[in-house]
Amino acid sequence: DAGVTQSPTHLIKTRGQQVTLRCSPKSGHDTVSWYQQALGQGPQFIFQYYEEEERQRGNFPDRFSGHQFPNYSSELNVNALLLGDSALYLCASSPTSGPTGELFFGEGSRLTVL
Amino acid sequence: QKEVEQDPGPLSVPEGAIVSLNCTYSNSAFQYFMWYRQYSRKGPELLMYTYSSGNKEDGRFTAQVDKSSKYISLFIRDSQPSDSATYLCAMSRQIQGAQKLVFGQGTRLTINP
Repeated sequence: DAGVTQSPTHLIKTRGQQVTLRCSPKSGHDTVSWYQQALGQGPQFIFQYYEEEERQRGNFPDRFSGHQFPNYSSELNVNALLLGDSALYLCASSPTSGPTGELFFGEGSRLTVL
Repeated sequence: QKEVEQDPGPLSVPEGAIVSLNCTYSNSAFQYFMWYRQYSRKGPELLMYTYSSGNKEDGRFTAQVDKSSKYISLFIRDSQPSDSATYLCAMSRQIQGAQKLVFGQGTRLTINP
């Protein structure tokens, strides 16, 4: 049973560019959340997708957008990259029936903005 | 003020020691309390979760929640070098029909052989 998979694992961009990160949830999970984890910090909630719609959003600007596909996979897009966007981007999946907020995380995509 | 406060450490202890990791929180709406372990260059993995005040034990790990003090702890007994990782506390509350998870900063733990 494959867990949460993310791609790419590492990437380098320059300021002003755009990036797309991809995530496939764990089998049987239909809810996908994205988190940003800066070095030495805990993960910060970006947004959550369920039934192809953004259900919740954290305190991130509109430069951060996402999408969920019918097969529950998801994309995170970041436009007009800033140096401060350098971080580990984590995708997490969960089943809607889970009451605890328990999340299963992928290994992350490490983004470096130069 | 952050919703969840966690001492980032680093914390270094000898093998076999008892480790105590702690978090405090300010929002009484939090319902579930979790501890995640994150190895270097990996995603977080769930160690334990609790709902009510009290203790929950799983092998060498014990999670403790004190809702009246808004304080949670994770104890590791007979610590092993393989326990060296960053430990993240996390708490969830319901917003708009969905559970929202808020993480602490993480405590970096090293167990020395």
